Amino acid sequence: DAGVIQSPRHEVTEMGQEVTLRCKPISGHNSLFWYRQTMMRGLELLIYFNNNVPIDDSGMPEDRFSAKMPNASFSTLKIQPSEPRDSAVYFCASSLVGQGDEKLFFGSGTQLSVL
Amino acid sequence: KQEVTQIPAALSVPEGENLVLNCSFTDSAIYNLQWFRQDPGKGLTSLLLIQSSQREQTSGRLNASLDKSSGRSTLYIAASQPGDSATYLCAVIGGSYIPTFGRGTSLIVHP
Repeated sequence: DAGVIQSPRHEVTEMGQEVTLRCKPISGHNSLFWYRQTMMRGLELLIYFNNNVPIDDSGMPEDRFSAKMPNASFSTLKIQPSEPRDSAVYFCASSLVGQGDEKLFFGSGTQLSVL
Repeated sequence: KQEVTQIPAALSVPEGENLVLNCSFTDSAIYNLQWFRQDPGKGLTSLLLIQSSQREQTSGRLNASLDKSSGRSTLYIAASQPGDSATYLCAVIGGSYIPTFGRGTSLIVHP
């Protein structure tokens, strides 16, 4: 398996623009997590999906952030409108939950810069 | 709410030293604990996963232990090398299956 695949690797945009980050989890995994990493706050969980259903979105900062998982092999994180304080590295991770392992695998991340 | 603390925040050692990195957590009702390595500008790479029923796991020069009752895990690195320089993070997976991360230990091993 190719692992967790994220795109784009880098995104530079202007304040107010819409940003869409994409993630393909490992095939067969039933759980997907979106994290944001900054120097100030470390790794923060934004949202957790299990079997394509959002289970915990308490980490989503505000209504400007939304996430979807239309099927088991694809998820998006959208920011609209974007602001400079959204600049961070966004990671997607997946795992197989409920089988006694729950090992977490990360993608390479998307470096987002909002000017 | 689970809280995970990693001590020390930063560590600089000469090559060849044996190291211990610490991870503590507040809620002992966990499924497992996972240690990761993160190189600058890169994603997180899994090093070791310890199930809640296990006491330790080993991979090469790395050994991770888990003491659920005291809410602690340690990552032992034997004979450190410059290539071990990175940030090491621990993640605790609790009853909700949501991983909670510490802030990490930034390690520099100098020749």
